[in-house]
Amino acid sequence: QSALTQPASVSGSPGQSITISCTGTSSDVGGYNYVSWYQQHPGKAPKLMIYEVSNRPSGVSNRFSGSKSGNTASLTISGLQAEDEADYYCSSYTSSSTLGGVVFGGGTKLTVL
Amino acid sequence: EVQLVESGGGLVQPGGSLRLSCAASGFTFSSYEMNWVRQAPGKGLEWVSYISSSGSTIYYADSVKGRFTISRDNAKNSLYLQMNSLRAEDTAVYYCAREIVATTAFDYWGQGTLVTVSS
Repeated sequence: QSALTQPASVSGSPGQSITISCTGTSSDVGGYNYVSWYQQHPGKAPKLMIYEVSNRPSGVSNRFSGSKSGNTASLTISGLQAEDEADYYCSSYTSSSTLGGVVFGGGTKLTVL
Repeated sequence: EVQLVESGGGLVQPGGSLRLSCAASGFTFSSYEMNWVRQAPGKGLEWVSYISSSGSTIYYADSVKGRFTISRDNAKNSLYLQMNSLRAEDTAVYYCAREIVATTAFDYWGQGTLVTVSS
């Protein structure tokens, strides 16, 4: 069981928009603006897509956006493309002493139909 | 170009030890916080450990506390993870990752090194 809850899978057609949710608690997502999102293709290392809730690193497409409301963060991908098919993970700083400094979600598999 | 290259993985028996290394290049290593993150086969990401840029502040996940030790040598641009008392559940690909200063966001990752704990 992961500290942050993500849907196991989402899907969408090319050109559509999808949103992946990431639900935590006031000790992590809800309490701090330190939410990140990663994209991982099979056999590859994760790639940072969003940090500090809504900031995009240089080189990441503006089709990727992040937001947060209460204890739930969201990643939205607009104009879906075939290459967006991957696993997506959220993470957050946590003040919970039992979880350490950073917690990840269980991951969401995005399928582009 | 920022590069992180892990090494030291392999097959080890339960209860054994292994030391992972991560060689950094392309940036001022001594200015960045570093982390280890692991991924069990077919599973999600799990944060393992953090070390500050100077090495003075260290954190561990509860699952490895007391068994793993993170360290760094800024003169050698290298990060390490000493893993003792290994268990089957430690089997995973281990990634070193650079942190964007004080954000818990990891902007560069190595390719990973596989650690398999099995008899």
